[in-house]
Amino acid sequence: GQQVMQIPQYQHVQEGEDFTTYCNSSTTLSNIQWYKQRPGGHPVFLIQLVKSGEVKKQKRLTFQFGEAKKNSSLHITATQTTDVGTYFCAGHHYFGNEKLTFGTGTRLTIIP
Amino acid sequence: EAQVTQNPRYLITVTGKKLTVTCSQNMNHEYMSWYRQDPGLGLRQIYYSMNVEVTDKGDVPEGYKVSRKEKRNFPLILESPSPNQTSLYFCASSLSGGGYTFGSGTRLTVV
Repeated sequence: GQQVMQIPQYQHVQEGEDFTTYCNSSTTLSNIQWYKQRPGGHPVFLIQLVKSGEVKKQKRLTFQFGEAKKNSSLHITATQTTDVGTYFCAGHHYFGNEKLTFGTGTRLTIIP
Repeated sequence: EAQVTQNPRYLITVTGKKLTVTCSQNMNHEYMSWYRQDPGLGLRQIYYSMNVEVTDKGDVPEGYKVSRKEKRNFPLILESPSPNQTSLYFCASSLSGGGYTFGSGTRLTVV
């Protein structure tokens, strides 16, 4: 079946350093979504990317969707303690189908 | 307040005893979905629904049932729970396939 791999599994950074997580799909995606889950919490939707090569920014967060629509990345500039949590990508493999495959997530820890 | 409400938040049950986890959303969303979250495996989709009376299997549907008799509710049914269904379960809803709003989760333990 369709798989979405996400790396790294864990990332520890000093506060103020940058952070990037990468997502790769075994098949072409119709779109990709990103979620953040704080420790003990539930996933919270961040953004959706639809177009090939699309880049979107939310303050210190930059999201990219690859040209082939099989990979994506989330980059956080100058991390803060509020960025702590697990970041998940999730992809729809087919238009009009709500089967959504999540990556395994990247857990970000900030060292103050 | 717009939200997805799951009940119960915590549940301990015994093998084979049928249980239902309820999920309700007040946002008039068409799409609803159930996920289970296990360490190292991320979130895996169990079932999803794109409209009333329309449901389909996700990646791990074995041992689960769902129903969508009305738009706001999407209960998850475990007819005969087993210990391998011990997990953290999330219900989520979406207006039309965009970002999902998740409930707070149900932590299920089957002994």
